[in-house]
Formats: sequence, structure tokens, C-alpha cells
Amino acid sequence: GENVEQHPSTLSVQEGDSAVIKCTYSDSASNYFPWYKQELGKGPQLIIDIRSNVGEKKDQRIAVTLNKTAKHFSLHITETQPEDSAVYFCAASIEGNRDDKIIFGKGTRLHILP
Amino acid sequence: DGGITQSPKYLFRKEGQNVTLSCEQNLNHDAMYWYRQDPGQGLRLIYYSQIVNDFQKGDIAEGYSVSREKKESFPLTVTSAQKNPTAFYLCASSSSTDTQYFGPGTRLTVL
Repeated sequence: GENVEQHPSTLSVQEGDSAVIKCTYSDSASNYFPWYKQELGKGPQLIIDIRSNVGEKKDQRIAVTLNKTAKHFSLHITETQPEDSAVYFCAASIEGNRDDKIIFGKGTRLHILP
Repeated sequence: DGGITQSPKYLFRKEGQNVTLSCEQNLNHDAMYWYRQDPGQGLRLIYYSQIVNDFQKGDIAEGYSVSREKKESFPLTVTSAQKNPTAFYLCASSSSTDTQYFGPGTRLTVL
């Protein structure tokens, strides 16, 4: 089955600098890769996702890159702000396959330092 | 206003009691999921349901039970057989794509 590894588990970044979180996956059939942001005491919220037919996707200060050959994908946050402090989860799945489950990484706690 | 709701937000249980956590969605999603999250940990799948009247065990189903009698509702019962139930419980739903949308969570504490 699919296995998703996420690094680092904790990341501290100076406000205004960039943050990068990396994930690797094991199943080459996976084709859907969402990223979630979880604030303290709340449920995870989808912030961006990418499908295997593209290599990069951007939405304002956040971007995700995908390398299918190496089976890894990354989240990039530029010009970090205090409100970016949260736990971020990556995930992988085979979209449209009802027998497949989405697999989450263990999360990265991002601290934005003033 | 569409979305997923979970109730209650906080729940306290005495040892030996069963408790039921509510999850409702008005997104017309076929699939619904229950996850458990422990402090500093990721999401562990308890049960999931791809369609009404059908559900499957996830990775940590022991001590839990579910039902899916209506498309909108997927309640989770934490039974007395669950030896360490204190955790944050998250419900999610998805449509034909795999994007899962999460509720706000229920924090269960055993007294």
C-alpha cells in the first residue's frame, strides 16, 4: 500500500522568509496530492492540491511542486506571515479509485518567528 | 451554508460509558470518514463509508462502531472497549474526487 513520508516534523522560519515542506510517496499509481493546514483546535483545511498531469501549481504565496519520477512533492510558502503558523499535512491518493484510501503524512508544525 | 458539522465540540466520558459523536454534511458527498488525532500526531483512519448503508474498517477500528443510514450523517460510537479514547476526532467527507473536507472536530476526554 501507499506510504507517505513528510519532513521536517517541525520547522521554524523567520517572518518574511520562505518555508519548504517535503513529502515522498511510494505508490507510483498515486495521482492526487492535496495539502492541508490545521490550526490549533480546528479541523484541517485544504489549501492547495496538485494532480499528476502538472508539475507545479501556485496560489498567491503558496505553491506545490511535483516530481513524479522521484515520487516527491513539496509545499512552498513565500513571504511567511504569523498567520501561517500551523500544522501542515501532505497526502497522496489514486483519484477516482474507490478501493483506495487517501494516505496522510504525519504533519509538519510550522512556527513563524517574529 | 454548506459544510460539515460535528457535535459536540467537547465531550467528557466516564470510564465504561459509550458515547456517540455526531457528523453531518450537506455537501451531497457520497463518502464520509472518521479519523483520530492524538497530540502531535497525524491522522489515523477509524472507519469510512463510500455509500449509504455500507462502511469499512480503517486502520484503528477496534473499540469503535459506526452507522450510515443516511447520506448526510455518519455517527461514530466510542465504546467501552476502546481503552484509550481520549483524543481529537475528525470527520471528513468527499465526492467523486478524492478531496476530503473536514469538520471542526470533537475533543473527547475520559474522566
